[in-house]
Amino acid sequence: NAGVTQTPKFRVLKTGQSMTLLCAQDMNHEYMYWYRQDPGMGLRLIHYSVGEGTTAKGEVPDGYNVSRLKKQNFLLGLESAAPSQTSVYFCASVAGVYNEQFFGPGTRLTVL
Amino acid sequence: GEDVEQSLFLSVREGDSSVINCTYTDSSSTYLYWYKQEPGAGLQLLTYIFSNMDMKQDQRLTVLLNKKDKHLSLRIADTQTGDSAIYFCAEILGGATNKLIFGTGTLLAVQP
Repeated sequence: NAGVTQTPKFRVLKTGQSMTLLCAQDMNHEYMYWYRQDPGMGLRLIHYSVGEGTTAKGEVPDGYNVSRLKKQNFLLGLESAAPSQTSVYFCASVAGVYNEQFFGPGTRLTVL
Repeated sequence: GEDVEQSLFLSVREGDSSVINCTYTDSSSTYLYWYKQEPGAGLQLLTYIFSNMDMKQDQRLTVLLNKKDKHLSLRIADTQTGDSAIYFCAEILGGATNKLIFGTGTLLAVQP
């Protein structure tokens, strides 16, 4: 099992450009999450999904969109990138009786 | 509101015990978690505790839960340089979304 994978690992964008981050999991998990991590702020939830075809807003959804067309993939889109979206983005999926979240390795995004 | 608080930094000498503290807000959380993040990597679950427990021990790790004060701690015995990382506590919100609220993280620096 590859677990949770994220592509790309690094990306530099100019203000106003768009991009899509891909998260994939091969563990057949229903729940998936996108977080951003900023210094001194821990992880903040952007959007999440409780199953294929469903998405919901988290704590900081503005400027992002998501889609969950297939159970194993959860896509995070930035339509018009802003410098405030410079961050490290983590994807996670959930399994188990005690709801362990499995994290991907992260995508480091810089918006100039 | 939901807020999980941790001190930002802890420095210990190799071989000493480390104690990382956390306060949480949601008294209905069924599980509380400790995650470890090594440099450049995603988060990995270290341990968890069910809300009806006061203590959980797992090899060098001891988790203490004080529900009255909403206080969670992680003790690492015989701290090693490989334990240097950021440690996050997290609480799970009530409801069916399995959402976690993370603390800001504590950077543990182990001096040789």
